[in-house]
Amino acid sequence: DSGVTQTPKHLITATGQRVTLRCSPRSGDLSVYWYQQSLDQGLQFLIHYYNGEERAKGNILERFSAQQFPDLHSELNLSSLELGDSALYFCASSATTGEAVEKLFFGSGTQLSVL
Amino acid sequence: KNQVEQSPQSLIILEGKNCTLQCNYTVSPFSNLRWYKQDTGRGPVSLTIMTFSENTKSNGRYTATLDADTKQSSLHITASQLSDSASYICVVKGTGGFKTIFGAGTRLFVKA
Repeated sequence: DSGVTQTPKHLITATGQRVTLRCSPRSGDLSVYWYQQSLDQGLQFLIHYYNGEERAKGNILERFSAQQFPDLHSELNLSSLELGDSALYFCASSATTGEAVEKLFFGSGTQLSVL
Repeated sequence: KNQVEQSPQSLIILEGKNCTLQCNYTVSPFSNLRWYKQDTGRGPVSLTIMTFSENTKSNGRYTATLDADTKQSSLHITASQLSDSASYICVVKGTGGFKTIFGAGTRLFVKA
């Protein structure tokens, strides 16, 4: 168990809908990262938050947004969903931010299926 | 362009055999390289980290090597077990706040 909790584990929705994925980092970790992993694809970095502030953006669509709350949990909001958004979404946390030897601890992911 | 390429894409071996996975990168300036193991439906778990000055590092039956001159790394698995069946992901990080780049992974299947 990595200590990172993601909910829900599975989510099935329809095109055009909006969903929210939730992540609770390891106790004490200030950094939260979101990644998307499509079928047979590598992990694609979406966005990074540190202590409530956005630190870096990757290949995140404008339809997607995220935030990190004062209690350090984070939410990833996906709107106007398309079939191609179906993927496994991972959250990872670390104690630091962007440091060279930073080690990421991943949650078990949320499997999103858009029908 | 900074990239991380892994080979082979997939690999099937018999239980008890050894195997070697490759990772080539073009990230520069280089800071460190991690190998992660990702079981199906689970999040990746770090196996080992290699910094610029390290050539070899072991973690049980896993041994990672790094050649910073040729920008290549390998992960050698000795005496494979069924539980080694997973995707192995090479992750490279540059210096100066450079973002982390993930390889597409090698999917390993260990058969009895």
